[in-house]
Amino acid sequence: TQLLEQSPQFLSIQEGENLTVYCNSSSVFSSLQWYRQEPGEGPVLLVTVVTGGEVKKLKRLTFQFGDARKDSSLHITAAQPGDTGLYLCAGAPYFGNEKLTFGTGTRLTIIP
Amino acid sequence: EAQVTQNPRYLITVTGKKLTVTCSQNMNHEYMSWYRQDPGLGLRQIYYSMNVEVTDKGDVPEGYKVSRKEKRNFPLILESPSPNQTSLYFCASSLSVGGAWPQHFGDGTRLSIL
Repeated sequence: TQLLEQSPQFLSIQEGENLTVYCNSSSVFSSLQWYRQEPGEGPVLLVTVVTGGEVKKLKRLTFQFGDARKDSSLHITAAQPGDTGLYLCAGAPYFGNEKLTFGTGTRLTIIP
Repeated sequence: EAQVTQNPRYLITVTGKKLTVTCSQNMNHEYMSWYRQDPGLGLRQIYYSMNVEVTDKGDVPEGYKVSRKEKRNFPLILESPSPNQTSLYFCASSLSVGGAWPQHFGDGTRLSIL
């Protein structure tokens, strides 16, 4: 079973600050997804990265896939209360395999 | 509106009383799966289905059953629930197999087994 470790597990910061959360594994993934989950709802896809070294931006959120395709990071600039939620990464081990492996999540709280 | 619908949203029941959690998607997706979410353990896949009448075990299938008789529906069945199955359950669907396809999740079913 391939494992995805996310760090930190919890993060609480002031509005306007920057932050980075990490998703690490010893395994190689063909692609990696990031989801955000809000209380009482299911996870919602934010982005999929598929190429080693790829960087994708979604407004104030920047996602990077590691060169070796074993890790990923999510950087948020000028965090806002609306960014509060549980952030989950999910990796697909190799092409043609349908099973995603989810990380344990980073619970982010932005304090107004 | 494209969505995955789970029912019920909340259920409290007792050990051994069979229950079914329904899941329906209106996006004509081939791939559907069930997850459970527990603190510190993340989302763990219970069962998945690549198409009608095709199902397979995920990481934690013990104590659960599924069926896929129609493309849109993928019910999760607990024949004899036990307290260790108390959890938050999510149904998800995607257009096809392969990790690059986005998973669309339902809003979850919080299940408590006493």
